Amino acid sequence: NAGVMQNPRHLVRRRGQEARLRCSPMKGHSHVYWYRQLPEEGLKFMVYLQKENIIDESGMPKERFSAEFPKEGPSILRIQQVVRGDSAAYFCASSPPGIRHSYNEQFFGPGTRLTVL
Amino acid sequence: GQQVMQIPQYQHVQEGEDFTTYCNSSTTLSNIQWYKQRPGGHPVFLIQLVKSGEVKKQKRLTFQFGEAKKNSSLHITATQTTDVGTYFCATPQGGSEKLVFGKGTKLTVNP
Repeated sequence: NAGVMQNPRHLVRRRGQEARLRCSPMKGHSHVYWYRQLPEEGLKFMVYLQKENIIDESGMPKERFSAEFPKEGPSILRIQQVVRGDSAAYFCASSPPGIRHSYNEQFFGPGTRLTVL
Repeated sequence: GQQVMQIPQYQHVQEGEDFTTYCNSSTTLSNIQWYKQRPGGHPVFLIQLVKSGEVKKQKRLTFQFGEAKKNSSLHITATQTTDVGTYFCATPQGGSEKLVFGKGTKLTVNP
């Protein structure tokens, strides 16, 4: 059973370009979460999605950032017009469906390290 | 919103010494999860504690959840170089799905 997959693992963009980060959850998992981690910092929640639905995007900046989890295919975190401050590691996590979701552990992918020049 | 304070931020030990990291909250937590992140790696789930006063052990690791469910600790007995990494506590915010992470304790072990 493959784990959470993320690609690319490393992404370099110039200021003003777009960054697209992809995440495929573990098989059977219907919940996807995106987190951002700055160097030497903890993880900050960005967005929680289920198939075709954004459940909680309270941690995501209102501008330039968007996320989706289509019926088919991976979840995408999209950052438009990137700035240097967007440089960070972006982790995707998934969890299985369940009655009490907050009691489910989250399985993390290897992350995408975004560098904005 | 929910916050968890984690101390210490850094800990450097000699191999064979014990190590403890603490996670504290001003509010009652529904549960606490612990994750380990190796340098350059991703967070890996270690354990989840749900009940008041709960103690769980994994080999040399002992996890505790306080009686009031406001604090937790992770203790490693006789550290090894393979224990190197950052240990995070995390808890669901309110009744939501999102996890709030502590800032982590970075453990380095001198062989």
